[in-house]
Amino acid sequence: DQQVKQNSPSLSVQEGRISILNCDYTNSMFDYFLWYKKYPAEGPTFLISISSIKDKNEDGRFTVFLNKSAKHLSLHIVPSQPGDSAVYFCAATRSFNAGNNRKLIWGLGTSLAVNP
Amino acid sequence: EAQVTQNPRYLITVTGKKLTVTCSQNMNHEYMSWYRQDPGLGLRQIYYSMNVEVTDKGDVPEGYKVSRKEKRNFPLILESPSPNQTSLYFCASSLGVGPAKNIQYFGAGTRLSVL
Repeated sequence: DQQVKQNSPSLSVQEGRISILNCDYTNSMFDYFLWYKKYPAEGPTFLISISSIKDKNEDGRFTVFLNKSAKHLSLHIVPSQPGDSAVYFCAATRSFNAGNNRKLIWGLGTSLAVNP
Repeated sequence: EAQVTQNPRYLITVTGKKLTVTCSQNMNHEYMSWYRQDPGLGLRQIYYSMNVEVTDKGDVPEGYKVSRKEKRNFPLILESPSPNQTSLYFCASSLGVGPAKNIQYFGAGTRLSVL
């Protein structure tokens, strides 16, 4: 049972346009969400996160939006650059559950291609 | 430079030959974890450690062992590797628990092939 779903395996956008990557989750107890970027032959690297007490977090060209009622979050990249071409993973966790290892639950990833 | 270092990066071995993949972090992180990544299955947690001498099973622990004798190191041991353990392995670490502390930092990965 996939608790974190990234329904688009791939996405292609033109350089300079907006990239929107989507993520849905099923567990309403998740309270912290993260996006990671992964290049080939490298480990995932942390990109941006958001707590459930917020609905938006911004860091430069990257913005994450959280819609708790819809159990949906999205990552916006504006403007998109060729160097953004990578696989993007969404992850979620229950950060304050003392009985849990607070592990990150991962989506399967979306491969983003930004074309020059 | 803050980093998680895994070795080796690539390994080809044969069924039944014990191997160890090392993982070391220099950030004084309490939490460390091993994942395997397989096509269509994403990242699955193998084992994790909340601190020194505290380890526990993740989602796919069968066929693996770990130890945490010191804070910086968290080796993954395959006592008798089998072909279904052919995968891409990642070690990760984080400060601990709670928001922001749970941001995990990953090693570059170890690609293992078991023949």
